[in-house]
Amino acid sequence: DVKVTQSSRYLVKRTGEKVFLECVQDMDHENMFWYRQDPGLGLRLIYFSYDVKMKEKGDIPEGYSVSREKKERFSLILESASTNQTSMYLCASSIRVTGITEAFFGQGTRLTVV
Amino acid sequence: SQQGEEDPQALSIQEGENATMNCSYKTSINNLQWYRQNSGRGLVHLILIRSNEREKHSGRLRVTLDTSKKSSSLLITASRAADTASYFCATNLIQGAQKLVFGQGTRLTINP
Repeated sequence: DVKVTQSSRYLVKRTGEKVFLECVQDMDHENMFWYRQDPGLGLRLIYFSYDVKMKEKGDIPEGYSVSREKKERFSLILESASTNQTSMYLCASSIRVTGITEAFFGQGTRLTVV
Repeated sequence: SQQGEEDPQALSIQEGENATMNCSYKTSINNLQWYRQNSGRGLVHLILIRSNEREKHSGRLRVTLDTSKKSSSLLITASRAADTASYFCATNLIQGAQKLVFGQGTRLTINP
């Protein structure tokens, strides 16, 4: 079975801190994604990557950056955490084909910025 | 901007009844997918329907797709308490084919 693992289930950080959220997948998937989920807003795409060292902005990239140095690992970085970045963060991966197939999600990281 | 919109936002039914959720989208798609999310967890893929398909079944799930109306529906038959979850549609766009765009979800509650 495909496994997507996020490094933390719960995280509490202070305003202004630099925060790293890590995601690892074990199925050699080319595509990896970071979403944030907020009540009433559903899932919104922050960044995605379709290959090592490649990244594309999603719908809400402001305040975030990403890193993909290895195929299996995709990191989301909050450069200077703010309270409006308190949210559930979901990582996902998928095979890269013409027209995406199913995405596999991690268990989510609930980040609270105080 | 959000591509898909689910309707209703919340649905509460009795165990054994059928549950129907709808999804509308705006631009041309390669495929449309439905996912389930149990409270506080990640999403799990349920079913994928391609743009050239009209209906698909998987166990107690039935999905329809009407590309002329840009809409899809998910039917769960003979609902069970374990079906209580949030359900999301996700569209894979023709433009931007490596992305999935999610709707806001339908919160389904099955009452015993």
